[in-house]
Amino acid sequence: DSGVTQTPKHLITATGQRVTLRCSPRSGDLSVYWYQQSLDQGLQFLIQYYNGEERAKGNILERFSAQQFPDLHSELNLSSLELGDSALYFCASSPSGIWYETQYFGPGTRLLVL
Amino acid sequence: DQQVKQNSPSLSVQEGRISILNCDYTNSMFDYFLWYKKYPAEGPTFLISISSIKDKNEDGRFTVFLNKSAKHLSLHIVPSQPGDSAVYFCAASEENQGAQKLVFGQGTRLTINP
Repeated sequence: DSGVTQTPKHLITATGQRVTLRCSPRSGDLSVYWYQQSLDQGLQFLIQYYNGEERAKGNILERFSAQQFPDLHSELNLSSLELGDSALYFCASSPSGIWYETQYFGPGTRLLVL
Repeated sequence: DQQVKQNSPSLSVQEGRISILNCDYTNSMFDYFLWYKKYPAEGPTFLISISSIKDKNEDGRFTVFLNKSAKHLSLHIVPSQPGDSAVYFCAASEENQGAQKLVFGQGTRLTINP
């Protein structure tokens, strides 16, 4: 158990809909990262937050957005969903978000868009 | 454009023997490398890391070797145990204004045969 929690575990929705994925980091970690793992691609970095502020951006679509709240939990919002958005979404956390730290991953949310 | 490549999608090794997983990268700015292990229905679990100033790091049965001139790293597991059967991802990061963007390989599925 990494100490990172993600809800929900599974999500099934329809194209065009909007969903919110939630992540609670390990106790004491200030930085949160979001990743997408689809079948034909490996883990793709989406976005990083540190203490409520966006820190780094990866291959995140404009239809996706994220935020980190004062209690340090984070939410990833996916809107206008397409079939290709079906994937595993992982959240990870680290203490300070600096480049040589280890990231600890949650169990993931499996999203299926029908 | 895959900056981190794991060219072997799968590897099968006899229990007790050495498992060697390989990873190549193209970005010479990467200076921190990590290996993660992933079981089905779980998030990636951190195994071991290495900074670019080192060429070897050891932790119990796991050793990571880094060859910067060849842009190659490898993970050695010895002796291999049935519980090591999982998908192994290598990841790389570079300092990016203090932030960390991990780039993952596609993964290698390791199977340890009794």
